[in-house]
Amino acid sequence: KNQVEQSPQSLIILEGKNCTLQCNYTVSPFSNLRWYKQDTGRGPVSLTIMTFSENTKSNGRYTATLDADTKQSSLHITASQLSDSASYICVVSAGRGSTLGRLYFGRGTQLTVWP
Amino acid sequence: DTGVSQNPRHKITKRGQNVTFRCDPISEHNRLYWYRQTLGQGPEFLTYFQNEAQLEKSRLLSDRFSAERPKGSFSTLEIQRTEQGDSAMYLCASSRSQGPLYEQYFGPGTRLTVT
Repeated sequence: KNQVEQSPQSLIILEGKNCTLQCNYTVSPFSNLRWYKQDTGRGPVSLTIMTFSENTKSNGRYTATLDADTKQSSLHITASQLSDSASYICVVSAGRGSTLGRLYFGRGTQLTVWP
Repeated sequence: DTGVSQNPRHKITKRGQNVTFRCDPISEHNRLYWYRQTLGQGPEFLTYFQNEAQLEKSRLLSDRFSAERPKGSFSTLEIQRTEQGDSAMYLCASSRSQGPLYEQYFGPGTRLTVT
């Protein structure tokens, strides 16, 4: 069964601190893995996207890693800001090419940054 | 605004009523997706269109749900005889269909509350 599991379910950190969110998946065949940020009441916004051959990608203070062998990914946020408070969703795309591209979503990690 | 738009943003309805939501994708995108998201969960795939053709429907899409994209541009999602379990955020996304790394851009969602 194609699944995406995220941990922790929620996380509270102080402004300025770093944190790491985890994602494990069983989706096969694998195409790519994305991390989305979703603010409350809004649609998800893409942060990073990685293919099988990529093991790290950065977008500002966000750095995602991918280990396709162990089927694990992490999202590291450095120097957190209050605006980082949101749900971070790990999404795995199945299939190859553009023929299918079904997305499998994790439940998200709810991050709260306190001043 | 050249992003994905959805209307209405919020809808409150009584059980048994019919509701219709609209999604306007990014103009050059020929794929359009509908997702449902309940509190604390990641989005769940409902259906998607390539141009005006509805190519896939999830088992989540019961007979009370119908989606259309008559001219390959905007799409509507109708729920007939709404039930309290239909209360959720309904997200629309659009993408190009070419290339394995197509990006799905999400709209802000329509939050449905069935009383």
